[in-house]
Amino acid sequence: DTAVSQTPKYLVTQMGNDKSIKCEQNLGHDTMYWYKQDSKKFLKIMFSYNNKELIINETVPNRFSPKSPDKAHLNLHINSLELGDSAVYFCASSQDFAGGPQETQYFGPGTRLLVL
Amino acid sequence: GDSVTQMEGPVTLSEEAFLTINCTYTATGYPSLFWYVQYPGEGLQLLLKATKADDKGSNKGFEATYRKETTSFHLEKGSVQVSDSAVYFCALVRSGYSTLTFGKGTMLLVSP
Repeated sequence: DTAVSQTPKYLVTQMGNDKSIKCEQNLGHDTMYWYKQDSKKFLKIMFSYNNKELIINETVPNRFSPKSPDKAHLNLHINSLELGDSAVYFCASSQDFAGGPQETQYFGPGTRLLVL
Repeated sequence: GDSVTQMEGPVTLSEEAFLTINCTYTATGYPSLFWYVQYPGEGLQLLLKATKADDKGSNKGFEATYRKETTSFHLEKGSVQVSDSAVYFCALVRSGYSTLTFGKGTMLLVSP
């Protein structure tokens, strides 16, 4: 039973296309996140949702739009893909945003996006 | 803003050697500190954590002690195995938040 799952695992696409990455968690958590890992393995938060509401939106181009249809899902839609969007995107979840630093974040396996 | 600094990798060791990966941080207040591990081709897994000064986190033979006076959280293991080869990330969470700030990761390569 996968706690945090992402689809697809690999995504190869052309510049200018629009694509979506899906994330689902079966942990009953209230908070979900998207992180981007660049080619040098550096990880940075992109978005955080708590109970389907956007909590954190770091300086991410507005071509990236997260959507949370329910607490268990947080999808990432990317418009007009650019070469620099090539990265690994990780979804994560935790019990509660306001739960403080005691809360562990559980990560999905990542989606490897390559823009040609 | 908050930041985490890790030693540059890769760290290359022979099996059974002693491991130290340095991590220092800058943060407002009293953050919690974490080590995550990423095995090749996989997502991140929590390795250990410490939530207050002088706490020691430990798991799978790895240890790290929260040192507020030196703002450090160095990862140690007494005897590494080939299966420990991975990228290790130090991270922090500021009190009252749950968004992680990561260091740049340190790759560990262990040879037989």
